[in-house]
Amino acid sequence: QKEVEQDPGPLSVPEGAIVSLNCTYSNSAFQYFMWYRQYSRKGPELLMYTYSSGNKEDGRFTAQVDKSSKYISLFIRDSQPSDSATYLCAAASGGYNKLIFGAGTRLAVHP
Amino acid sequence: EAEVAQSPRYKITEKSQAVAFWCDPISGHATLYWYRQILGQGPELLVQFQDESVVDDSQLPKDRFSAERLKGVDSTLKIQPAELGDSAMYLCASSPSSAAQVTQYFGPGTRLLVL
Repeated sequence: QKEVEQDPGPLSVPEGAIVSLNCTYSNSAFQYFMWYRQYSRKGPELLMYTYSSGNKEDGRFTAQVDKSSKYISLFIRDSQPSDSATYLCAAASGGYNKLIFGAGTRLAVHP
Repeated sequence: EAEVAQSPRYKITEKSQAVAFWCDPISGHATLYWYRQILGQGPELLVQFQDESVVDDSQLPKDRFSAERLKGVDSTLKIQPAELGDSAMYLCASSPSSAAQVTQYFGPGTRLLVL
């Protein structure tokens, strides 16, 4: 079993939809949770990160962590075609510890 | 805006040949990472440098892979000999310090195809 599991999709939604992307993890020591966006043939780009449980909002993006269920979510409001990319979740047990990535979910937002 | 530079962007080679990838991190970033990303999977850490020192190479196949960061700035990852299973995207990332692993900045990657 991988430490961070992510449904690979693909997920196809119409423009303007609310998108929910999810990951689960197995390591209780994880404290930091990240979401990266990766466009085709590009390197990952950090969207946001959260520490421990709770929500964090940045514009149209909201990251949510529920440590009791070991569940990580990213919500995208008013999705745009430019949001079409692969979204990678990642976790780390501490600021000094390496990131463990999920496999990524491919999202397509169609006009 | 400062970016991580990588070259080449694409590399096609035959198995048993040697290949090398280069990475120039964001200026001032002490920590440099090399990842391998197989198609359809997330990046996996191969090696982490703090300045010129290796701090984690536990997942680096040392029989064929080597990495160096001689002056603590740019870095080279080498594969010799390349095998078919090495076909992947090789990503370089940097962060201001080892305590900032959560804020890694990735380069565009080198896509390797081994024939």
